[in-house]
Amino acid sequence: KAGVTQTPRYLIKTRGQQVTLSCSPISGHRSVSWYQQTPGQGLQFLFEYFSETQRNKGNFPGRFSGRQFSNSRSEMNVSTLELGDSALYLCASSSGLRGGGDEKLFFGSGTQLSVL
Amino acid sequence: GNSVTQMEGPVTLSEEAFLTINCTYTATGYPSLFWYVQYPGEGLQLLLKATKADDKGSNKGFEATYRKETTSFHLEKGSVQVSDSAVYFCALSDYNNNDMRFGAGTRLTVKP
Repeated sequence: KAGVTQTPRYLIKTRGQQVTLSCSPISGHRSVSWYQQTPGQGLQFLFEYFSETQRNKGNFPGRFSGRQFSNSRSEMNVSTLELGDSALYLCASSSGLRGGGDEKLFFGSGTQLSVL
Repeated sequence: GNSVTQMEGPVTLSEEAFLTINCTYTATGYPSLFWYVQYPGEGLQLLLKATKADDKGSNKGFEATYRKETTSFHLEKGSVQVSDSAVYFCALSDYNNNDMRFGAGTRLTVKP
């Protein structure tokens, strides 16, 4: 069974540009979550999508947005990039079912974004 | 809201030493608790989990016990190996919230 796939692996952008990151979850998984990882802030939750609907959102500005397609693949977009957006962006997939102790997340290797 | 606080790193140990990484949590409901591990250049992988009070999660020689009275989930291993060098994250997931909250991560380096 293929794991969570994130593309691209590395990305270099300049301030003011926008960027789109892609995530393909494990087959059969309906939930995709996005996290931002930085040395100073650790792992910060961005948002979660389940069956094409945003189910929860972290405390990030509106420049950060996402969507999920009918095949569960997800994209994350960041507009008007700032230097502080430089980070490793991790995508995780799961069955999406809650409360049964089955909240295990499967992570991709991430997209390393550098904003110059 | 829910949150996780874990021991600041980095932690450096010699091979075969005993490891403890502390983790405490704050939650309004009845969370499930997790330890994830991140090896260099990779995403996070689930190491172990516990879904209710007094449960013990274990995997690869690592253990953690869900202590509701102290709201803790400390990670332990009796004898670490060089291959255990990684960043360890404590996390919780609450039935009432549709996201998983992570601690800041603790970097472990094991020297031969």
